Amino acid sequence: EVQLVESGGTVVQPGRSLRLSCVVSGFSFDDYAMHWVRQAPGKGLEWVSSITWNSYSRRYAGSVEGRFTISRDNAKNSLFLQMDSLRPEDTAFYYCAKDMRGGYDYGLFDFWGQGTLVSVSS
Amino acid sequence: IVLTQSPATLSLSPGERATLSCRASQSVSSNYLAWCQQKPGQAPRLLIYGASRRATGIPDRFSGSGSGTDFTLTISRLEPEDFAVYYCQQYGGPPYTFGQGTKLEI
Repeated sequence: EVQLVESGGTVVQPGRSLRLSCVVSGFSFDDYAMHWVRQAPGKGLEWVSSITWNSYSRRYAGSVEGRFTISRDNAKNSLFLQMDSLRPEDTAFYYCAKDMRGGYDYGLFDFWGQGTLVSVSS
Repeated sequence: IVLTQSPATLSLSPGERATLSCRASQSVSSNYLAWCQQKPGQAPRLLIYGASRRATGIPDRFSGSGSGTDFTLTISRLEPEDFAVYYCQQYGGPPYTFGQGTKLEI
């Protein structure tokens, strides 16, 4: 069974940093690109970032470019999102999602975690 | 690419047919258009990809159609568990974008 479990969400002040983690099981993690997608409470979905299987290519939404960094540790079946200079508009549930196609960034999400809530507030 | 879904809310009864629309601001390359379903408090679930291909385990009452800039998700006979929010999403190239969602309510 494919499982993705996010953690690290909490309440944080504007301007501070936070690191999210996602541990996966049930598939060969190092064969697939991975993504972060977020959803502000009661709002729609927004793709945030993606990373290829070998970490060679990382992409970001314009709204987080230069502030967020995606990374992965294939030995630990883990995906990370380092979030710096947080803003109130970054408040959202953050989901990690598996790319359906394979190791390269295809942008199609076939399995999602349950999400972790980041709240940016003073 | 901006995706616009309509209607915002669709009120139907179990057993009825649902038709949800997704319009793109420009042509979606290779029909890289997906639909996902989200229930309250849950993660999204992939239903349709490639505009018309059902994901693994998705019942055949769900079907997708369309090309270019106009796409449709049809649920032939609504089951009680189908009442949820539906999003279209394009994966023709980053940034990958979602529509604002259609809420299907009883």
